[in-house]
Amino acid sequence: SQTIHQWPATLVQPVGSPLSLECTVEGTSNPNLYWYRQAAGRGLQLLFYSVGIGQISSEVPQNLSASRPQDRQFILSSKKLLLSDSGFYLCAWSAPGLIGYTFGSGTRLTVV
Amino acid sequence: GNSVTQMEGPVTLSEEAFLTINCTYTATGYPSLFWYVQYPGEGLQLLLKATKADDKGSNKGFEATYRKETTSFHLEKGSVQVSDSAVYFCALSDSQGAQKLVFGQGTRLTINP
Repeated sequence: SQTIHQWPATLVQPVGSPLSLECTVEGTSNPNLYWYRQAAGRGLQLLFYSVGIGQISSEVPQNLSASRPQDRQFILSSKKLLLSDSGFYLCAWSAPGLIGYTFGSGTRLTVV
Repeated sequence: GNSVTQMEGPVTLSEEAFLTINCTYTATGYPSLFWYVQYPGEGLQLLLKATKADDKGSNKGFEATYRKETTSFHLEKGSVQVSDSAVYFCALSDSQGAQKLVFGQGTRLTINP
């Protein structure tokens, strides 16, 4: 069966520090991969998605970047965190041609 | 572009009450519609879905019907339980290409015993 792993679960980072959040999917090939952010008290915003290795689409301009170095690995990064980067980050995957997403358990990032 | 508008919360009900959370959408083409649930401190779980007009999605006593004529996908449950307390998100997906999900803002539901 397919599983999605996301880590770490929580993270507290100072302003200006770098960030790396990792997401991996098991049990499937060539998944579509997504990064969403949920700011406090708000809905979910799509940040990046990828339909293949090395392919990244950005939905909103921001201080973050994403990479897909392997088929089932999706990384969210920042060189210098801002206070406004705080939030709950969710990775998700979907199978091409099929309806529906599966979400990871999320990373709660607090920038101090 | 595509968008989802959800009933604003928070919503507070007593156990065994009837629940409705309204959701309407704007989309080109024929999107798929979803309800996701987020329990405290956790990620999102798919609650139910519908992929075409007049489909009814159901799970754990919750139901929602895809109404193309009113562009709605309201979530209902006949008798809520304390364990249903969570944040509920309505979402739509363009079934083509990358299947990007567009979410409503979420509705926080609290059920009191």
